[in-house]
Amino acid sequence: AQRVTQPEKLLSVFKGAPVELKCNYSYSGSPELFWYVQYSRQRLQLLLRHISRESIKGFTADLNKGETSFHLKKPFAQEEDSAMYYCALSDNNDMRFGAGTRLTVKP
Amino acid sequence: ETGVTQTPRHLVMGMTNKKSLKCEQHLGHNAMYWYKQSAKKPLELMFVYSLEERVENNSVPSRFSPECPNSSHLFLHLHTLQPEDSALYLCASSQDLNPGGTEAFFGQGTRLTVV
Repeated sequence: AQRVTQPEKLLSVFKGAPVELKCNYSYSGSPELFWYVQYSRQRLQLLLRHISRESIKGFTADLNKGETSFHLKKPFAQEEDSAMYYCALSDNNDMRFGAGTRLTVKP
Repeated sequence: ETGVTQTPRHLVMGMTNKKSLKCEQHLGHNAMYWYKQSAKKPLELMFVYSLEERVENNSVPSRFSPECPNSSHLFLHLHTLQPEDSALYLCASSQDLNPGGTEAFFGQGTRLTVV
């Protein structure tokens, strides 16, 4: 069974500081991994996906198969990055989400 | 409104009531999903539909009954719910069933309270 773990429920950093949101997964095949974000009073939306190897809003995430991780990173956090972040893993029929990490970026 | 629309946004119902949640998308997507988001648990996948056919049911109690009359609409019929069913119910859609690399679009959700 596939499983996604986000060990930190809450994460608080100061503006301009680096931020890393952790995500570990367990899956027997080749995973498709995503980060979704939910800003205050907005719907859940895609932030980035690992196959695109893209940087969105300064965020990047690298799939590390050896460590079964897909941590989300940003070198300089901004106040507008404050949101709920969900790591997700997809297989053929569904998408499983982690419990989420609430990021707060303080001025 | 474009994207995925859910109605109602808020619903309070008694344990003996029957109600339905509605989800609508006009994105031309072929797959639709129901998720449950509780305060103390991760997002839980409930049902998956592809081209109006149910393809997955993750051991959801029978008091939740989905219906997909066409590719644009998805319903979740509720009856004799329990207080622990109170949660945010999210609908999502994606272009295809195999969501690998395919973005899922979410609705705003229906906040359900069972009293």
